[in-house]
Amino acid sequence: QQPVQSPQAVILREGEDAVINCSSSKALYSVHWYRQKHGEAPVFLMILLKGGEQKGHEKISASFNEKKQQSSLYLTASQLSYSGTYFCGTLSGNTPLVFGKGTRLSVIA
Amino acid sequence: NAGVTQTPKFQVLKTGQSMTLQCAQDMNHEYMSWYRQDPGMGLRLIHYSVGAGITDQGEVPNGYNVSRSTTEDFPLRLLSAAPSQTSVYFCASSYRRTYEQYFGPGTRLTVT
Repeated sequence: QQPVQSPQAVILREGEDAVINCSSSKALYSVHWYRQKHGEAPVFLMILLKGGEQKGHEKISASFNEKKQQSSLYLTASQLSYSGTYFCGTLSGNTPLVFGKGTRLSVIA
Repeated sequence: NAGVTQTPKFQVLKTGQSMTLQCAQDMNHEYMSWYRQDPGMGLRLIHYSVGAGITDQGEVPNGYNVSRSTTEDFPLRLLSAAPSQTSVYFCASSYRRTYEQYFGPGTRLTVT
């Protein structure tokens, strides 16, 4: 079952912050975050593990709320290069990674 | 180190034709998977493999077959192409199921 991402799309001006949410109805082992630029393949950003610490990648960080089976991706002081579609993927039990439908982020000057 | 490679990059098929999308990785990864990407639908898992000789179905397996005879290769076969299979197909690999996935460049398939 696909995790649910919100919002579906967001437009930011350079320097603004954004939060992308990912939620699942299943008990999760981990949450993966990927970014896909237009016409390219998805690229790995980070993994949040059950019981693990909040992860960070430059000005992009994420958290994992195990009780609510939710993860949030935080983009701080957005840059034009942050534009793209962000996908969360979830792992539970022995199931394969299942991706959400994505959040399209557009950063404008 | 080429990573994950896919061939062809583009393909046009007529309804009813069959073909194989090739995927190979040179990172000695155990886990490989095939996704299709359609507008507004995200990445949907077709088939996956946890090691040579072992494959399993994902969310949308109908109309597709896979095999994994070696660690490196994971081809995807379309048995009888249908217009509903028009999509972008991505192959991905990872060290284990729980590790980060590396994606190939994709194959854009059109079925007329």
